Amino acid sequence: SQQGEEDPQALSIQEGENATMNCSYKTSINNLQWYRQNSGRGLVHLILIRSNEREKHSGRLRVTLDTSKKSSSLLITASRAADTASYFCAPVNTGGFKTIFGAGTRLFVKA
Amino acid sequence: DAGVIQSPRHEVTEMGQEVTLRCKPISGHDYLFWYRQTMMRGLELLIYFNNNVPIDDSGMPEDRFSAKMPNASFSTLKIQPSEPRDSAVYFCASSFGQTSNQPQHFGDGTRLSIL
Repeated sequence: SQQGEEDPQALSIQEGENATMNCSYKTSINNLQWYRQNSGRGLVHLILIRSNEREKHSGRLRVTLDTSKKSSSLLITASRAADTASYFCAPVNTGGFKTIFGAGTRLFVKA
Repeated sequence: DAGVIQSPRHEVTEMGQEVTLRCKPISGHDYLFWYRQTMMRGLELLIYFNNNVPIDDSGMPEDRFSAKMPNASFSTLKIQPSEPRDSAVYFCASSFGQTSNQPQHFGDGTRLSIL
């Protein structure tokens, strides 16, 4: 198992702007997952991208994966105040039984 | 569908007391995870079960911590005796199948304060 490292640690934007968060990891993966955590709540799974995929969309979310650079990015378009949360990436090794979460990116969307 | 249910949501107790946290996973899920989250250390995996059997408890900080899963619908995390440094938010999560292919579903946590 390995831990993803999110960047930046914190991000503050205006409502309507796009937010981009990055994730780097160290070794080969089976897939990479993104989670969101609202204040006082548990993590919520957002999207999973497999190692043979380069891009995936879900509503206003766009995730990219570059296995040659061992990195992923999460783009939230047309952000809303409700998107204010911490975002975590979770790279998962082949046959991985456990997920190790990094410190996350804290996103603050100002109304 | 009911999600992962944790109880209590908040617990405040004095050091030295025994603390028991409870978790009901999503029905049909065969993996269960216990995490601890603090500002300093982030989200740490303590232990996980597969089909009620503990698979990896390498994240359990000390012998004061123990976890059980007597059946597929219930798990407990116990701290005895508790210490102020155990103060944290404890999350339970469950998944169907290995996390290499399946997302984890989290409860809303138990906020534990040890005085």
